[in-house]
Amino acid sequence: EAGVVQSPRYKIIEKKQPVAFWCNPISGHNTLYWYLQNLGQGPELLIRYENEEAVDDSQLPKDRFSAERLKGVDSTLKIQPAELGDSAVYLCASSLNRVSEQFFGPGTRLTVL
Amino acid sequence: AQSVTQLDSQVPVFEEAPVELRCNYSSSVSVYLFWYVQYPNQGLQLLLKYLSGSTLVKGINGFEAEFNKSQTSFHLRKPSVHISDTAEYFCAVSGQGAQKLVFGQGTRLTINP
Repeated sequence: EAGVVQSPRYKIIEKKQPVAFWCNPISGHNTLYWYLQNLGQGPELLIRYENEEAVDDSQLPKDRFSAERLKGVDSTLKIQPAELGDSAVYLCASSLNRVSEQFFGPGTRLTVL
Repeated sequence: AQSVTQLDSQVPVFEEAPVELRCNYSSSVSVYLFWYVQYPNQGLQLLLKYLSGSTLVKGINGFEAEFNKSQTSFHLRKPSVHISDTAEYFCAVSGQGAQKLVFGQGTRLTINP
């Protein structure tokens, strides 16, 4: 069974540029999570989806970050414009439902110059 | 709300020696507890979890952890480590019935030959 797929794995951009990350969850997983992991820190939840609905986005900086999960499968996380402090690893995870084990993708490492 | 403190940012040990990675949590409600491992440039993998029942939990790769409610701890142990155990280890907590994980800052385990 394929795991959670994320792309790109690495991204380097100039500040003020837009950037997007893509996540394909495990087939059949209804719940999808985006986490931010700063260097030397544990992951922090940005947003959680139940199917297409964002049910917990309280930690998402909505002035520059946006996310969508069309048709309740793949998801995209966007930053526009990127700032130097956005340099981090962005992790996607999925689970069968909100109380099941979360499976993590390999992450996208973003570097903002 | 929950919080997690991992008491050691780095733990160096010799191969085949025992190891303990310490984790304390804070919560006003009953909790679920988790340990995840992150190998370089990879996502997080679940090592073990405590949901209820026996306070001694066994996981993959020979790891185990003990839930101590009175001390609000969930320390991770392995009786004999291998070079391949070199990784970052994260303790996480969630309120019962919810999968909003709150992670600690991580402990880097380094195994020396």
